[in-house]
Amino acid sequence: NAGVTQTPKFQVLKTGQSMTLQCAQDMNHEYMSWYRQDPGMGLRLIHYSVGAGITDQGEVPNGYNVSRSTTEDFPLRLLSAAPSQTSVYFCASSYGGSAGYTFGSGTRLTVV
Amino acid sequence: AQKVTQAQTEISVVEKEDVTLDCVYETRDTTYYLFWYKQPPSGELVFLIRRNSFDEQNEISGRYSWNFQKSTSSFNFTITASQVVDSAVYFCALSDPNRDDKIIFGKGTRLHILP
Repeated sequence: NAGVTQTPKFQVLKTGQSMTLQCAQDMNHEYMSWYRQDPGMGLRLIHYSVGAGITDQGEVPNGYNVSRSTTEDFPLRLLSAAPSQTSVYFCASSYGGSAGYTFGSGTRLTVV
Repeated sequence: AQKVTQAQTEISVVEKEDVTLDCVYETRDTTYYLFWYKQPPSGELVFLIRRNSFDEQNEISGRYSWNFQKSTSSFNFTITASQVVDSAVYFCALSDPNRDDKIIFGKGTRLHILP
């Protein structure tokens, strides 16, 4: 039972590069979310989805895109990386938001 | 607007002491859910508890207990007889039923249990 799988675990990007953080879950959860964690800021919601084909913005969506073509996958795209996007990114899923989320192990991203 | 406040940024206690982590929330909704998550030094996020707004019973799970009081909009977490393994960052969170139950987190409290 893999749960929520995030890849890669670590990534270094140069300013202006683009990349996709991958997230997959095998629990048939409808709800999926992306958070970023920065020191002293807690977890801030970037984007979320309540099912395939449905996405919405969270608190800090600028500079990120998402799509949800399948129930299992919810990739997060950085369009043009900036140093301000240096953070730890967590993907999470739930069968219903009020049920609480299961989190992936995180991706530590550094933009230089 | 929904908001979760964890006023204690960092707490240090000596092992075996009891410690309470405070959480105050703001919401205009009558139906909502509250959560606590633990983030140990290894970095993963571990779900601890969920409480819905209609259930004000306190809950105890081993050395952990939670005190939910709607009158003060608080959902505090107490660890009894703390152990070094309890050292972690603890997050309180609130679901937003008006926005597809997206979950809003507080900034966390870093707990140090000193041997």
